[in-house]
Amino acid sequence: ETGVTQTPRHLVMGMTNKKSLKCEQHLGHNAMYWYKQSAKKPLELMFVYSLEERVENNSVPSRFSPECPNSSHLFLHLHTLQPEDSALYLCASSLRTGGLHEQYFGPGTRLTVT
Amino acid sequence: QQQVKQSPQSLIVQKGGISIINCAYENTAFDYFPWYQQFPGKGPALLIAIRPDVSEKKEGRFTISFNKSAKQFSLHIMDSQPGDSATYFCAASLILTGGGNKLTFGTGTQLKVEL
Repeated sequence: ETGVTQTPRHLVMGMTNKKSLKCEQHLGHNAMYWYKQSAKKPLELMFVYSLEERVENNSVPSRFSPECPNSSHLFLHLHTLQPEDSALYLCASSLRTGGLHEQYFGPGTRLTVT
Repeated sequence: QQQVKQSPQSLIVQKGGISIINCAYENTAFDYFPWYQQFPGKGPALLIAIRPDVSEKKEGRFTISFNKSAKQFSLHIMDSQPGDSATYFCAASLILTGGGNKLTFGTGTQLKVEL
């Protein structure tokens, strides 16, 4: 596997379910990101992890809980979601310092909350 | 303050023509301006990027023009091809003190290149 991978690619969950999204990067990066992409809205940054430490939480509701066990893996734990949380969830990675901090994105998880 | 405004929302160009997408920002602390290309069912792919101390950057058929005083930048796609049909996003970056950077995205431009 190369680049940034995300699983699952599609997820349908009820409002009372608990599920997790997984992201893995194979680029040797040490910063990872979660973004939300909704129709007709700009990509919204949710969380930033740098060396497994959360450095940014963009006012995201607590029903979204991120976890970064190491610099290659990032999870987004979901519980008691709302229908308006249906969106494409994108993971990205970059180097934390130096250069242009170019962020590389995975293919995303299409989440539907019923 | 953090917003990045992008226009047009959609664009139709004939094959071989020039596609131009514009973005404007307010926050002068932004230090890096990438453009991303996204095809349906895929994540955004980094296309080209520029720092604010450079007025133009060219990579193949793609050129970024940057006007620091006007706080505007644009993407030009020369000799547009049907395979360029995608959604294009501009973004602006802020370095985070804890490491990494925060990207603020424009709303996207759907480009269609017709034969």
